[in-house]
Amino acid sequence: AQKVTQAQTEISVVEKEDVTLDCVYETRDTTYYLFWYKQPPSGELVFLIRRNSFDEQNEISGRYSWNFQKSTSSFNFTITASQVVDSAVYFCALSGFGGSSNTGKLIFGQGTTLQVKP
Amino acid sequence: NAGVTQTPKFRVLKTGQSMTLLCAQDMNHEYMYWYRQDPGMGLRLIHYSVGEGTTAKGEVPDGYNVSRLKKQNFLLGLESAAPSQTSVYFCASSYGGGREKLFFGSGTQLSVL
Repeated sequence: AQKVTQAQTEISVVEKEDVTLDCVYETRDTTYYLFWYKQPPSGELVFLIRRNSFDEQNEISGRYSWNFQKSTSSFNFTITASQVVDSAVYFCALSGFGGSSNTGKLIFGQGTTLQVKP
Repeated sequence: NAGVTQTPKFRVLKTGQSMTLLCAQDMNHEYMYWYRQDPGMGLRLIHYSVGEGTTAKGEVPDGYNVSRLKKQNFLLGLESAAPSQTSVYFCASSYGGGREKLFFGSGTQLSVL
């Protein structure tokens, strides 16, 4: 069975601090995809990044960076120099292929609420 | 660019009533999903569809039924609503299933009294 765990329920930081959101996943599939989504206070869900299981390169996009480590089954998300606009709920998600998982099923973690104070 | 449209946006039901949530997408996506979001539980998959005429159960399918008679529409039905079904419901679609990002609707806030 697939599982995504985001152990941090809530994080509060002061603007300009760096913050890392943790994501640990479980899957028996050899091919899988990992995602991060952002849900701002307005409620919509916004795609941030996708990573497949064969690509362990870290990725940086502006103030955002992602660290994918298969050895620890983790896909952590770091925001550098956080801003008030980063305040949101962040979800990590997983889909697996080739094993017991059904094609197309995307499982989400519980989400981490990030509050950035001015 | 409509994307994924959910109707209604808000609904209040009494226990035992039935209702249907409609999801429509105009991106010609094969895959469509229904999730529910509850505090502390994240997004949980109710049902999904990998193409017109197909449906499959997700993590929490009990109490819900779905239909995908047309490729662009995915309906979620509650036959006899219960207070435990109070939640925010999100529909999503994708071109490549779990390999591609999901496009989400704006959500439906459902309260069952």
